[in-house]
Parts: sequence; structure tokens; C-alpha cells
Amino acid sequence: ETGVTQTPRHLVMGMTNKKSLKCEQHLGHNAMYWYKQSAKKPLELMFVYSLEERVENNSVPSRFSPECPNSSHLFLHLHTLQPEDSALYLCASRGSDTQYFGPGTRLTVL
Amino acid sequence: GESVGLHLPTLSVQEGDNSIINCAYSNSASDYFIWYKQESGKGPQFIIDIRSNMDKRQGQRVTVLLNKTVKHLSLQIAATQPGDSAVYFCAENRGGGSQGNLIFGKGTKLSVKP
Repeated sequence: ETGVTQTPRHLVMGMTNKKSLKCEQHLGHNAMYWYKQSAKKPLELMFVYSLEERVENNSVPSRFSPECPNSSHLFLHLHTLQPEDSALYLCASRGSDTQYFGPGTRLTVL
Repeated sequence: GESVGLHLPTLSVQEGDNSIINCAYSNSASDYFIWYKQESGKGPQFIIDIRSNMDKRQGQRVTVLLNKTVKHLSLQIAATQPGDSAVYFCAENRGGGSQGNLIFGKGTKLSVKP
């Protein structure tokens, strides 16, 4: 266990569905991240939150909408996704130096 | 049929042998480096880290070497075990201290033969 949890672990959704991914960290860190990992590309940084403020959005389509209500929780809201969005979505948190990852949510878009 | 995916460098070693996984980084200003291990179906797991003011750091069965002259990082695993089979990523922190973002390499797949 890394202290970063993600739910659900697996998600199958249609292109018209709306779903949310949840991440929670129990490490007292002040930065949280969303990454996308697909079979065709290396790890891609999507969003960065520092002290609950979004500090980076790496040209991610608007069908992905992050939310950070407090320093321990991070959400990724999904709507009208495309099949090419199928991937492993990883959450991570960082305190001083080391960044710890959650187990990921395996997302399949039909 | 043919599978299309990210082609990772692969290292195949015999159980009990030592493994060396290499990583080249591009930014001479990078001040901190991490090695991660990712097993199938799991998130990346922290293994060991090193700051740029060091050239070697040892953990339990693992050693990280940093050569800043040629911008090269390596991970050595002693007495490799089947449980070490995974994809290994290096990551560099491109300045900015803890506010900098980590840049990840593509990864190397380690396969341990019993």
C-alpha cells in the first residue's frame, strides 16, 4: 500500500455516460496528479493540483474535468468519452520529493 | 494478428543473476531522480531515489548510480528474483524542487527466467 487509493479499480462505460474517478491520499501531501497510461504511449501527465489549485493542464480535452475539493481528495469527471480514451488512469501525490502512485483505474470506453 | 503498442526495451536475466537497467535523461538541471517498478495491472511503485549531489545510493538489493557527466542513470538489482519481473521507469525532476514535475522515461521490461 502506498497511501494513495483509487476507486473504482475497473470501469466500463459507454460514450454517452458520465462517470467519476476518485483518488484519496493519506500521506499529508499538498500536490496531486492525474496521469494517463495507455498501451501506445508512455505515462502522460494530465493535471496537477498544488494546495488544491490547478497549476497545470496538459492540453487535456474538456471531456475530462478534474476537481480537487481538499488536499486529500482528487476527482476526474468523465463525460462523452471516446474509445481511444480507454487506458489506465493513475493518481499520484507528492509531498517534498517522492511521488507516490495509486493502483490506477482501468477504464474501458465502448 | 499483430498487436500495436509501445515497444519497450526488454532485459531478460536468469534468476539469481544481477540486473542493470539504464536510463538516459536530457536536462542537466534535473536535481532529483526516482526509479519506479510497475507490475502488470498495478500502479508504479517507488523503489529508490537519488539527488543530483550524489552519484550512488544503495537500498535493499538495489543500487542507483548517477553519472551527471553523461546524463545517465542506472538501476542495479542484485540476485534477481522472479518477483522482480516488471516494467521499470526512471523519472527526473526538472528543477523547481518539489514544485517541479517529474518527467518519466518509457520504461524497460525486466523478465526473469527461473
